[in-house]
Amino acid sequence: RKEVEQDPGPFNVPEGATVAFNCTYSNSASQSFFWYRQDCRKEPKLLMSVYSSGNEDGRFTAQLNRASQYISLLIRDSKLSDSATYLCVVNLLSGGYNKLIFGAGTRLAVHP
Amino acid sequence: SQTIHQWPATLVQPVGSPLSLECTVEGTSNPNLYWYRQAAGRGLQLLFYSVGIGQISSEVPQNLSASRPQDRQFILSSKKLLLSDSGFYLCAWSGTFRGEQFFGPGTRLTVL
Repeated sequence: RKEVEQDPGPFNVPEGATVAFNCTYSNSASQSFFWYRQDCRKEPKLLMSVYSSGNEDGRFTAQLNRASQYISLLIRDSKLSDSATYLCVVNLLSGGYNKLIFGAGTRLAVHP
Repeated sequence: SQTIHQWPATLVQPVGSPLSLECTVEGTSNPNLYWYRQAAGRGLQLLFYSVGIGQISSEVPQNLSASRPQDRQFILSSKKLLLSDSGFYLCAWSGTFRGEQFFGPGTRLTVL
């Protein structure tokens, strides 16, 4: 079983749509959680951290369910510029350092 | 603010040639530093991490090595490249307790 699993997509949605990405992780000792965004042939960039109480940043909402080991990202009112690959990431404190485990990513394509 | 630099941006090398990729961080001290590789269409694979000068830990056996000669400098090397070393090499730094990492622009390496 992969440590972090995501639906690879692609998700093809029209502008203005709401899209949800799901992610599951296998290690219950995971301590913190993030969503990163990676544009084609670019480096990953931190989109947002994910907190147990859920958190929102503009059109983006992240949720965490520790009991189910499940993370989600909701994008409302999709823009063309949201087209990218979204990486689910968990942090394991391992050997005294923060080890990030990356999912393989979910690709989003927003069309006019 | 912190910035992270990598060079070169792209590199084409023949099989069996040596490699040296450099990463430097500005605006922070004593960061944790990381080297990742991303093969085409794949997820990020952690290669090395460093918690301080001269302290290198390897995540996977391979023909690559890493060094940290200065606090904010991280170097990835190989004596003899293999075809399988082709990929997108990313350097990252981390300095917060939550463990989020921030990536440099990457080096795209093609081994022919």
